[in-house]
Amino acid sequence: EADIYQTPRYLVIGTGKKITLECSQTMGHDKMYWYQQDPGMELHLIHYSYGVNSTEKGDLSSESTVSRIRTEHFPLTLESARPSHTSQYLCATGTSGNTDTQYFGPGTRLTVL
Amino acid sequence: GQNIDQPTEMTATEGAIVQINCTYQTSGFNGLFWYQQHAGEAPTFLSYNVLDGLEEKGRFSSFLSRSKGYSYLLLKELQMKDSASYLCAVSRSSARQLTFGSGTQLTVLP
Repeated sequence: EADIYQTPRYLVIGTGKKITLECSQTMGHDKMYWYQQDPGMELHLIHYSYGVNSTEKGDLSSESTVSRIRTEHFPLTLESARPSHTSQYLCATGTSGNTDTQYFGPGTRLTVL
Repeated sequence: GQNIDQPTEMTATEGAIVQINCTYQTSGFNGLFWYQQHAGEAPTFLSYNVLDGLEEKGRFSSFLSRSKGYSYLLLKELQMKDSASYLCAVSRSSARQLTFGSGTQLTVLP
């Protein structure tokens, strides 16, 4: 079944730790995105990729980095987590072609103490 | 830049009809999306409009007027489970990304 997977779903971690949030998909989509969303607030695009070895920064400046070595996989890394990174991180995929419909994974809720 | 406006909150009664409006200002408009997001969950795709007019999908319909920069989402026969945030999002032909509005929090009362 085509789906988008994110792990972990919840993560509580101390300041200064390095973390990687995983996103993988079996949708067969070329485009992948990372959004950051605080509770009750709007979605902000922080990274996107239109294919293997292609990554770009989004509208919201982020200290995180991403990689796209395989079509199915788009991990996000924070080298040194801080309390300001506490948020929900949502991964999405998008179809190629004329429409820009995006489909979201379940999200990772990150808390940095 | 882009500007997307939608009401912050709305309240309606179970079984009623509610219309959630969205206005936008953007260059190179390519399409308008509506997503539903329950608290603590990820957004789920509801509808996509690229041409003027009404698109109907069961209890949900979405309308677009490109000349007016205006869209609405119409929810009929409201159910308690429709209580959620409804996000309006715009895509531009120059940048194949979505820009999301702040969302309208709909509360359905019994």
